[in-house]
Amino acid sequence: LAKTTQPISMDSYEGQEVNITCSHNNIATNDYITWYQQFPSQGPRFIIQGYKTKVTNEVASLFIPADRKSSTLSLPRVSLSDTAVYYCLVGAGSGNTGKLIFGQGTTLQVKP
Amino acid sequence: DTAVSQTPKYLVTQMGNDKSIKCEQNLGHDTMYWYKQDSKKFLKIMFSYNNKELIINETVPNRFSPKSPDKAHLNLHINSLELGDSAVYFCASSQGGSGRTDTQYFGPGTRLTVL
Repeated sequence: LAKTTQPISMDSYEGQEVNITCSHNNIATNDYITWYQQFPSQGPRFIIQGYKTKVTNEVASLFIPADRKSSTLSLPRVSLSDTAVYYCLVGAGSGNTGKLIFGQGTTLQVKP
Repeated sequence: DTAVSQTPKYLVTQMGNDKSIKCEQNLGHDTMYWYKQDSKKFLKIMFSYNNKELIINETVPNRFSPKSPDKAHLNLHINSLELGDSAVYFCASSQGGSGRTDTQYFGPGTRLTVL
């Protein structure tokens, strides 16, 4: 499974747009890119998943360039409640294994 | 309705004891997982079961034994607990078999403290 690299921490202020970039140089052809969010004392929660170009849902957008060696999670107009750890994962979960490898994640601190 | 539930939420015990953590999912998923999150917040997969069959077994000491009585339950039994077993243990489930990285739904975690 491809290894991912993302910043360890980021700070932002309420109302700002936050972009977290993840590098995955060894991404395989059949790999998807998935982001999870983890609040303190809770389990991770799926945010968004994509394969290429741009994906948007009610929570975030995911931008994936043509070479797919990186991806950017974009959180519009963050609030204090968006303070959490954000994990970028790359893998196909081929067949039924569904094996996810979580990296260190990016700790986002949103300030008032 | 809680999709993935774990009991207990907190578990404090002495070294050498045997303990179990229970997990249940009501999502109708075929695949269930156990993860361990240590004090440095690294989240590592331990086991995965698909339809009661073990499919992932990472390099976990054999003191850890998962048991899946049916596809909605995956319990974790730990023998001879050691200090290094202190961590938060998360159960998760997913539909499985879609060919892409399945969305995994995590439980609230069980914080295990070994004294």
